Amino acid sequence: QKEVEQNSGPLSVPEGAIASLNCTYSDRGSQSFFWYRQYSGKSPELIMSIYSNGDKEDGRFTAQLNKASQYVSLLIRDSQPSDSATYLCAVSAGGYNKLIFGAGTRLAVHP
Amino acid sequence: EAGVAQSPRYKIIEKRQSVAFWCNPISGHATLYWYQQILGQGPKLLIQFQNNGVVDDSQLPKDRFSAERLKGVDSTLKIQPAKLEDSAVYLCASMGGLAGLSTGELFFGEGSRLTVL
Repeated sequence: QKEVEQNSGPLSVPEGAIASLNCTYSDRGSQSFFWYRQYSGKSPELIMSIYSNGDKEDGRFTAQLNKASQYVSLLIRDSQPSDSATYLCAVSAGGYNKLIFGAGTRLAVHP
Repeated sequence: EAGVAQSPRYKIIEKRQSVAFWCNPISGHATLYWYQQILGQGPKLLIQFQNNGVVDDSQLPKDRFSAERLKGVDSTLKIQPAKLEDSAVYLCASMGGLAGLSTGELFFGEGSRLTVL
């Protein structure tokens, strides 16, 4: 079983719609969860972090965490073509900030 | 603030040859990571350093890969001999703060793209 699982996509949404990206993880002891965005040919960059159950909002982005279900999600409201990228879910395991990444979901926002 | 520096950006070698990648993290960042990212996949952790000590190298193919972080600053990742399946982008990242106390934000370098022919 992979430690961090994501649907590879592509997820195609029209401009202005809500994009919903999902991630599950296997280690019940995981405490920290992150969403990174990676444009084609570029390195990943952090867009959201979440540490406790519930929702966390930052602008058009909302991260949701459900530790009981071992599930993390990212909602992007009012999706823009500039949001087209691969979104990587990352989970921190252990006490040394070991970050494990999922395979990423490719998002395509079309005008 | 200067970012994470990596070199070379691109490298093409033939199988069985050797290659080395260099990384200089953000000044003061104690934790340094090397990830391998194969096209279409997520980054795979190869090795993690805390200062100049290794805290995780469980997925490093030690028969061909080696890495060191001298004086707890910059780091070198070496592959010898290279195989076709080593073709990937090698990402170096650093994180500030101590274990368990940082934000979890990794700062990535631009990566070193390796092609093995």
